[in-house]
Amino acid sequence: IQVTQSPSSLSASVGDRVTITCRASQDIISSLAWYQQKPGKAPKLLIYAASTLQSGVPSRFSGSGSETDFTLTISSLQPEDFATYYCLQVDTYPFTFGPGTKVDIK
Amino acid sequence: QVQLVQSGAEVKQPGASVKVSCRASGYNFSDYYIHWVRQAPGQGLEVMGWIDTISGVTYYTQNFQGRVTMTRDTSITTAYMQLSRLRSEDTGLYHCTRGVGTRSSARFDPWGQGTLVTVSS
Repeated sequence: IQVTQSPSSLSASVGDRVTITCRASQDIISSLAWYQQKPGKAPKLLIYAASTLQSGVPSRFSGSGSETDFTLTISSLQPEDFATYYCLQVDTYPFTFGPGTKVDIK
Repeated sequence: QVQLVQSGAEVKQPGASVKVSCRASGYNFSDYYIHWVRQAPGQGLEVMGWIDTISGVTYYTQNFQGRVTMTRDTSITTAYMQLSRLRSEDTGLYHCTRGVGTRSSARFDPWGQGTLVTVSS
């Protein structure tokens, strides 16, 4: 299953609402997770099952979507949110990641 | 807390092999698969395969079949990934991660800190 993300990068300011889109090449129901990765660090789980917030993750992060189209939203961007975000389809092994969306400071 | 701690950085020559370890703590090691994920410099994330920590059964993705071997030692709650016949394109950060949940709730969590493997003559 191929996974695409858009945009590949974006510039935003603190307080902005940010939306990242992930598209799967076939219906994956709600089998999608979102990760945040900072340079030199391991990915951190944010969302799983398309919309379930991982314990300890701030509520400004939310996920939505089903079948082939999914969205990660950050309601009010904070300084610590500047990072690269990846989606991961977990419907069929091998699980596949999107190519990533880099969020940097405007 | 649940933690995966990996071995340190490696520098290898082309054609050599590398073996990376991943020590688990804070949970019952045999209850979860361990997956390995590679990240080439400036690139995205690629799943290499998994090992069933109870049975030792493995699954390798097509890009790594024939060159990767995943093993585990339950007595020390450690998983291993060995990659052979290294080439420069294998340079990257190698992560172990625990597979959690089933069906649509499946996810990788947590992750090891990553092991940098550099292949250079």
